[in-house]
Amino acid sequence: KAGVTQTPRYLIKTRGQQVTLSCSPISGHRSVSWYQQTPGQGLQFLFEYFSETQRNKGNFPGRFSGRQFSNSRSEMNVSTLELGDSALYLCASSLGSSGENIQYFGAGTRLSVL
Amino acid sequence: GQQLNQSPQSMFIQEGEDVSMNCTSSSIFNTWLWYKQDPGEGPVLLIALYKAGELTSNGRLTAQFGTTRKDSFLNISASIPSDVGIYFCAAPPAGSGNTGKLIFGQGTTLQVKP
Repeated sequence: KAGVTQTPRYLIKTRGQQVTLSCSPISGHRSVSWYQQTPGQGLQFLFEYFSETQRNKGNFPGRFSGRQFSNSRSEMNVSTLELGDSALYLCASSLGSSGENIQYFGAGTRLSVL
Repeated sequence: GQQLNQSPQSMFIQEGEDVSMNCTSSSIFNTWLWYKQDPGEGPVLLIALYKAGELTSNGRLTAQFGTTRKDSFLNISASIPSDVGIYFCAAPPAGSGNTGKLIFGQGTTLQVKP
């Protein structure tokens, strides 16, 4: 069974641009969660999607958004990039059923904002 | 908010030694997870714990769910060079509306000297 796939692996953008990251979950998993990882703040939850609906959201500005498609694939968008958005963005998939908390992570997308 | 305090922050040990790390919180959790992250990769699930007092092993790794439900411990026996990496504890926060979210500790960086 294929794991969680994130594309691209690396991305370089400049301030003010926008970026879209993609995540394909494990087959059969309906929940996709996104995290930002930085040396200073560690792993922080961005949002979670289940059945094409955002079920939960962390404390990030509205520049961070996402969506999920009918095949459970998810995309995350960051608009008007700032230097502080440089980070490793991780997505994780899970079955999404009640009480199921095991999340499986992709390798991440390393975003550098210049 | 709910936080996980992980210690030690880093460890530098000799190959063959045993390793212990722990994760504590002022909040109660119903699930504890331990992940390992290699450089440039996403976290990989090592052990999942679901019941207070539970002791679970995965090869040379053993983890325990604290009886107060506010802490968890991870032990690695007879360390080898490939144990190098960052170890994270994680837990889903309690309360409705917290689906798809994990809280992470700050991580323990392990270095093993051959």
